[in-house]
Formats: sequence, C-alpha cells, structure tokens
Amino acid sequence: NAGVTQTPKFRVLKTGQSMTLLCAQDMNHEYMYWYRQDPGMGLRLIHYSVGEGTTAKGEVPDGYNVSRLKKQNFLLGLESAAPSQTSVYFCASSAYSINQPQHFGDGTRLSIL
Amino acid sequence: RKEVEQDPGPFNVPEGATVAFNCTYSNSASQSFFWYRQDCRKEPKLLMSVYSSGNEDGRFTAQLNRASQYISLLIRDSKLSDSATYLCVDVNNNDMRFGAGTRLTVKP
Repeated sequence: NAGVTQTPKFRVLKTGQSMTLLCAQDMNHEYMYWYRQDPGMGLRLIHYSVGEGTTAKGEVPDGYNVSRLKKQNFLLGLESAAPSQTSVYFCASSAYSINQPQHFGDGTRLSIL
Repeated sequence: RKEVEQDPGPFNVPEGATVAFNCTYSNSASQSFFWYRQDCRKEPKLLMSVYSSGNEDGRFTAQLNRASQYISLLIRDSKLSDSATYLCVDVNNNDMRFGAGTRLTVKP
C-alpha cells in the first residue's frame, strides 16, 4: 500500500517562481491536510479539505492556494515563492474526521533562494 | 500565543529507563488528543490516541488530565529505537494544533 505520496521530494526555487506540490492518497480518505514544519515550531496547518471539491484555511494560509478536484489528490500551490516559505511540507489524510489519526506523506523539502 | 506546549528536551536516558513527557494545552474544549513519533528527517507517525480513561500499548502509556489541561506519555524500559521526537496534538472541531515536539535520545 502506497498510503500518502508526495511529489516532488525536493525542490529549489528562486524568489517569485511558482510551483505546485502534489499529494495523492489511496486509502479513500475524505480529509486531507497540508502542513509546513519549521525548526522549533512544530507542524502548522496551511489548508485542509473535508472532501472532494472543498478547501478551508488553516493556521498559516497566506501565500498558498489549494485545490481538491479529485478525492485522492490535494494540491498545494505557491504562486510567487518567498524565502519565508522555505520549509518542509507534509501532506496527510484521515478517514472521515479531523478527530481521527492522520497518515502522513514523507514530505517535500522546499528551498526558496 | 502557543496553544500546545511541550518541553523540547532533549531527554537523554539510558536503555531500560522510564521516561515521561507532558504536553499542556490551552483550549479547555479540545476533544481529541494524540501522540505522534517523528524520526529525524522523516514524517510523523501515529504512536497513540489518548483516551479520557488513559490507555496503554505495550511499554507506552498515555494519560489525559482535563482538570490541569495536559496529556502525558510514559515510556517504560526504553529501547535505543525509541530515540525520536514525540509530538502531541490536540483537536477541537476543525482546529488542530501540534506541539513543537520533545526530543528523546536513548543511549546504550
């Protein structure tokens, strides 16, 4: 079982460039999440989705957009990358509620120069 | 304002030791709590859910104290493989907060 798969694993961008991070899950989960993890700050929720076609803001949504056109995929977009967005990004999913355990992808390391 | 606080450690303990971590939360309405384990440069993985009555899974025991608003994780008979960062999570409706983690190193 693949579980939650994130692509790419690593990326280096220049300030102002745009990119999309892809998250795919094969567990038929309704809920999906995007986090960023910075040293000393733990995981912070960027956006999440409670089902196909829905998205909602998390704790730190500014500078990011998301889309959930298909149940299995959750895309995170950076329209104009900034150095402050250098981080490790994790995608996760849970079956049908935010109160359930989450399954994480193995992360995307993003550096903005 | 941090809503979930953990002692960052590091906790350095010998093999076989018992070690306990606490995690305080500020939202008295929080409904669900979890402990995750994260190895260096890896993704978080669920260790335990935390139930009101407390729960145990082998060498690991989780407790919830609603009156004092903290959850705890007790690890008995520590193994070298327990070395990791332990993250606590509290969930209230659609708001979920992770602690910054407590680092544990178990030494031979």
